[in-house]
Amino acid sequence: QQQVKQSPQSLIVQKGGIPIINCAYENTAFDYFPWYQQFPGKGPALLIAIRPDVSEKKEGRFTISFNKSAKQFSLHIMDSQPGDSATYFCAARAGGTSYGKLTFGQGTILTVHP
Amino acid sequence: KAGVTQTPRYLIKTRGQQVTLSCSPISGHRSVSWYQQTPGQGLQFLFEYFSETQRNKGNFPGRFSGRQFSNSRSEMNVSTLELGDSALYLCASSLAGQGIADTQYFGPGTRLTVL
Repeated sequence: QQQVKQSPQSLIVQKGGIPIINCAYENTAFDYFPWYQQFPGKGPALLIAIRPDVSEKKEGRFTISFNKSAKQFSLHIMDSQPGDSATYFCAARAGGTSYGKLTFGQGTILTVHP
Repeated sequence: KAGVTQTPRYLIKTRGQQVTLSCSPISGHRSVSWYQQTPGQGLQFLFEYFSETQRNKGNFPGRFSGRQFSNSRSEMNVSTLELGDSALYLCASSLAGQGIADTQYFGPGTRLTVL
């Protein structure tokens, strides 16, 4: 059962555009929502994370918007650059004894054209 | 501070063999989680070890096992390899103590190919 649904599967934007990646979850026990960026041949690297008591968080050009009632969250990349071309994963984690378990979305392949 | 290291980086095995992968977490990190990444299934949680004890387990068959040593280094073992086990195996470490929620830092992975 896929507990985190991510869309779109792929996304192409021009330099300077604002790609938006969306995720939806089902498990109301999730209380931590990170986004990871992965380049070919590398492991995922944390970009930004949010908790459900916050509706928006911004770090540099990356912004997470969170809608707790809709059980949805999204990543916005401002002023996108060709170097942002990578695969992006949303994830979620429940509290309690599940701290070490991340449930990932299927990933979005982002291409930023110069 | 050195990041998460995984060895070997690449591995080729044949069906029926077994394999052991190793992960050294960031110094001071006590939790190690393992994930399998494939094009079809994406990133899937295998298990997590904390203080030498398996704390969480994903939905994988018993052929997949792991352990953690007193220095927090971890190994995972896959026995009786199948073609479908071909994947990138990722290890992630975190401080994760009870009641502490924090970031998982991933290693570069071990690319396993089963022929």
